Amino acid sequence: NAGVTQTPKFRVLKTGQSMTLLCAQDMNHEYMYWYRQDPGMGLRLIHYSVGEGTTAKGEVPDGYNVSRLKKQNFLLGLESAAPSQTSVYFCASSGLAGYEQYFGPGTRLTVT
Amino acid sequence: GQQLNQSPQSMFIQEGEDVSMNCTSSSIFNTWLWYKQDPGEGPVLLIALYKAGELTSNGRLTAQFGITRKDSFLNISASIPSDVGIYFCAGPDSGNTPLVFGKGTRLSVIA
Repeated sequence: NAGVTQTPKFRVLKTGQSMTLLCAQDMNHEYMYWYRQDPGMGLRLIHYSVGEGTTAKGEVPDGYNVSRLKKQNFLLGLESAAPSQTSVYFCASSGLAGYEQYFGPGTRLTVT
Repeated sequence: GQQLNQSPQSMFIQEGEDVSMNCTSSSIFNTWLWYKQDPGEGPVLLIALYKAGELTSNGRLTAQFGITRKDSFLNISASIPSDVGIYFCAGPDSGNTPLVFGKGTRLSVIA
């Protein structure tokens, strides 16, 4: 089992460019999450999904969109990247909401 | 939503020393989770607590679910260099987010 995987690991964007981050899990988990981590801010939830075809907003959803077309995949999109979106992005999954989330290795995004 | 406060924010200890850190909330939690994040990696679950007063160990790590249900503690005994990292507490939020995280305790171990 690979657990939770994220693609890409690193990316540099220019302001205004768009991109999609891919998260995949092979644990048959219902719930998936996208977080961002900034120095001194801990982990902040961007969007999450409680099942295939569903999405919900987290603490910091502005500037991001998500889609969960397949149970095993959760995509995070940036339509028009801004320097404030420079961060490390983590995907996680869990079998029950709020309990024992398993994290991917992260994507380091820099927006110039 | 609920907030979790972790202390200390950072600590430097000598190898072999014991470590204590805690996490407090402004409201009651029914579950406490402790994660560790190694540099450049994603957080990894260390211990999960589900009952008030529960004391659970994982090797040299011991975590406790406070009896008030508003706090939790993590202890590391006989620290070693690979204990370096950021330790996060987390719990399910009653608001619109499934899990809320503390801002972490950064541990440095001096050999």
